[in-house]
Amino acid sequence: QVQLQESGPGLVKPSETLSLTCTVSGASIRSDYWGWIRQPPGKGLEWIGYMYDSGSTNYNPSLKSRGTIGRDTSKNQFSLKLSSVTAADTAVYYCVRENRNYYSSYSYVFDIWGQGTTVIVSS
Amino acid sequence: EIVLTQSPGTLSLSPGERATLSCRASQSVSSGTFLAWYQQKRGQAPRLLIYGASTRATGIPDRFSGSGSGTDFTLTITRVEPEDSAVYYCQQFDASPRTFGQGTKVEIK
Repeated sequence: QVQLQESGPGLVKPSETLSLTCTVSGASIRSDYWGWIRQPPGKGLEWIGYMYDSGSTNYNPSLKSRGTIGRDTSKNQFSLKLSSVTAADTAVYYCVRENRNYYSSYSYVFDIWGQGTTVIVSS
Repeated sequence: EIVLTQSPGTLSLSPGERATLSCRASQSVSSGTFLAWYQQKRGQAPRLLIYGASTRATGIPDRFSGSGSGTDFTLTITRVEPEDSAVYYCQQFDASPRTFGQGTKVEIK
C-alpha cells in the first residue's frame, strides 16, 4: 500500500523560502511521477509541479520560477521549495503521485495523496 | 492552459435526488484518458472518484457515473446520499499545467 506523508514548518515569514518534504512508503520515487498540489483556504486546487525518472521536473508557470522540486532517493523522499513567499502562498500543500497507467487503462490520475500540511505565510 | 469551468457552483439536494455536475473545457481534451473527477470532503484530501472520464475508481459506489468527451464532461450521482456531501472537482492531464475546475459543492438537505 503506497502512502505519502508531508512534513515541514507550518509557519513561514514573507519573502522567505517554504520547504516541505514528502516521505513515500510502499513505492520507489525512482519511478513514476511525484508532485505537489496546493489549496488556499476556502479555495480550489492548484497543481504546482512534478518530478520524474532521473529527476526531471515540470512546473506550473503561475509560480513564476519560484518552485523547485527535488529528491533524496536514499530516503525515498521528495521535496518542494518555494522561494519569496507571500500571503498568497498560504495553503494546504499535498504531495501526490501522478499515475499514467492506472490499472493498465492508460488513464492518468492523481491516485495517491498525502493527508496535506498547512503552511501559513505570516510575519 | 486548459481552463475547466464547473457548474453549478453549489447543488442543494434532498436524499434520493439526482445530481448532475458539469465540467466544460476551454479546449478539447484529446482523450477521455486525460479527464478525472475527485471528491473532497471537509478537512480531507481529495479522493479519486472517476478516471478515464467514465470509469469508477475502486470502492466508488455505482450511483456515481461519468460521461463526456471533447470539451463537455458530466458527473452524475443518481440518488444522492448524506455521505455524498462534498466538493467535486474535474481535472485534466491533456496539457501542462495540469488544471482543476473550481469545484461544485454538493449539499444534502
